[in-house]
Amino acid sequence: EPEVTQTPSHQVTQMGQEVILRCVPISNHLYFYWYRQILGQKVEFLVSFYNNEISEKSEIFDDQFSVERPDGSNFTLKIRSTKLEDSAMYFCASSAAGQGDSYEQYFGPGTRLTVT
Amino acid sequence: EDKVVQSPLSLVVHEGDTVTLNCSYEVTNFRSLLWYKQEKKAPTFLFMLTSSGIEKKSGRLSSILDKKELFSILNITATQTGDSAVYLCAVGSGGSNYKLTFGKGTLLTVNP
Repeated sequence: EPEVTQTPSHQVTQMGQEVILRCVPISNHLYFYWYRQILGQKVEFLVSFYNNEISEKSEIFDDQFSVERPDGSNFTLKIRSTKLEDSAMYFCASSAAGQGDSYEQYFGPGTRLTVT
Repeated sequence: EDKVVQSPLSLVVHEGDTVTLNCSYEVTNFRSLLWYKQEKKAPTFLFMLTSSGIEKKSGRLSSILDKKELFSILNITATQTGDSAVYLCAVGSGGSNYKLTFGKGTLLTVNP
């Protein structure tokens, strides 16, 4: 069964450093998302991406964050200068559709980001 | 602001019991309601509901949506220890830009 994959599973970084989280969405999916879950809190929407551009972003997704689809398979989330409060589990998700249809989103296993 | 509220927040039952998990929502431009099971890491998709009154069923799990009263329930019959997990309700909303808003989840513990 096709699945979303994410690397690394755990990333430890120092405050102020840049990190790139990587995701490989399900191959025939067209819509890609990043969510995060701070320990003990809700899963929160960060950004959606379609046709090589951001469709929507939340208030959390400020100028420190960026997303990219550098090739036909990878989808990345970059945090330019990490802060302690960026420590969270970051989930990538993908869906077959997003505009006009309500296709379910499938989630990857997550990357646990720890900022020290 | 979109809001999804789940109840109870936690529940402890014995194997064989039946449980009902609740999800109410207030969102603009509702598109769908989804249930996920989260064990250790990734939320695993269970159901997506878009129409009122139509029950979705998968084995011992079933779910139904009421778009008039703005809630959904997830039923699990004959619970097993493997059902222990956090069950997440998420509402899909947006026009051309679709996103999920999650509730806090219900932590279900099934004891043998």
